[in-house]
Amino acid sequence: GQSLEQPSEVTAVEGAIVQINCTYQTSGFYGLSWYQQHDGGAPTFLSYNGLDGLEETGRFSSFLSRSDSYGYLLLQELQMKDSASYFCAAGTGFQKLVFGTGTRLLVSP
Amino acid sequence: GAVVSQHPSWVICKSGTSVKIECRSLDFQATTMFWYRQFPKQSLMLMATSNEGSKATYEQGVEKDKFLINHASLTLSTLTVTSAHPEDSSFYICSAKAGDEQFFGPGTRLTVL
Repeated sequence: GQSLEQPSEVTAVEGAIVQINCTYQTSGFYGLSWYQQHDGGAPTFLSYNGLDGLEETGRFSSFLSRSDSYGYLLLQELQMKDSASYFCAAGTGFQKLVFGTGTRLLVSP
Repeated sequence: GAVVSQHPSWVICKSGTSVKIECRSLDFQATTMFWYRQFPKQSLMLMATSNEGSKATYEQGVEKDKFLINHASLTLSTLTVTSAHPEDSSFYICSAKAGDEQFFGPGTRLTVL
């Protein structure tokens, strides 16, 4: 089967740095994407790793290690508005995305 | 970025009725669209892949006769939940593929009484 595991919840304070991990078991793996979803909203794209290594986009960075079937999303300078659910998603065959279990991030003042 | 809309944004219906949800790509053409379902505090689960001009491809465990998908044009895919029951109450999200990216619609919250 296909599975992507994430911690269920992470808490941090404003201004801090937080890392959300994602370990995966998929077939036909093409790359790892990260999405943010606020309650009641649609997922919004944050970052994508097609190759091993670090991708940086503003306050967000994402890392992928194919040999370890592992990736993470790094959020820096946390803000209250970053409180949301974060999902990793694996690109698989037929251009489909398989989503991870999701991590709820709570940012406190 | 590309914009995807869904209509309606929320719907309440009685058990046994059918509900149609529309997904439109507003500023681009999408030969492939995807339909997801998300239960509260859970992840997005892919239901089916909608291909323009051909039959949808359903994921394992998704009843194709219950969740009818039609992708009649390059900008519109519809999902019809037939004979809806309370257990079908969920957040339904579509996405449309543009290049290598998927752009998500705002979702439709279905409540079946």
